[in-house]
Amino acid sequence: AQKVTQAQTEISVVEKEDVTLDCVYETRDTTYYLFWYKQPPSGELVFLIRRNSFDEQNEISGRYSWNFQKSTSSFNFTITASQVVDSAVYFCALSEASGGSNYKLTFGKGTLLTVNP
Amino acid sequence: GAGVSQSPRYKVTKRGQDVTLRCDPISSHATLYWYQQALGQGPEFLTYFNYEAQPDKSGLPSDRFSAERPEGSISTLTIQRTEQRDSAMYRCASSLGTGGETQYFGPGTRLLVL
Repeated sequence: AQKVTQAQTEISVVEKEDVTLDCVYETRDTTYYLFWYKQPPSGELVFLIRRNSFDEQNEISGRYSWNFQKSTSSFNFTITASQVVDSAVYFCALSEASGGSNYKLTFGKGTLLTVNP
Repeated sequence: GAGVSQSPRYKVTKRGQDVTLRCDPISSHATLYWYQQALGQGPEFLTYFNYEAQPDKSGLPSDRFSAERPEGSISTLTIQRTEQRDSAMYRCASSLGTGGETQYFGPGTRLLVL
């Protein structure tokens, strides 16, 4: 069975601080995909990134970066120089690429990030 | 369309009433999903469609829940005889296919059962 754990329920930082959101996953599949989604206060769920299990290169997109480590089953998300607009709930999710559940996303419980001015 | 749309955005109903939620996926997407998100939790899978076929509905909480996608495009999720525990955000997503394809979500329908 697949499982995603986001141990940090809430994080509060001051603007311009760097912040890392943790994500640990469990799966028996050797091929899988990891995702991050952002849920701002308006409530929609916005796709941020998709990473497959064969690509362990870190990815950077502007102030956002992701660190994927298969050895620790982690896919952490760092926001550099945080801004108030980054305040949201962030979800990590897992999808197996093969087998009987290769369609559903399994989400963590989310981390509420508050960036204070 | 440009993105996934859902209607209504908010629905307040009385216990025992039936409700129907609608989802219009991205037009090129074959696969459509329904998720339920309780307050303070991540979305949980309910069911999905490949075109009009519904291969898995095991996530539906009870037989009061049903979904259809008769022409492989727009989908509806119906909850019969609603109960207070059905109150949640209902999210629809679509993707090009399965096997790890990115799922793009609609704005959701927030359902409140009084």
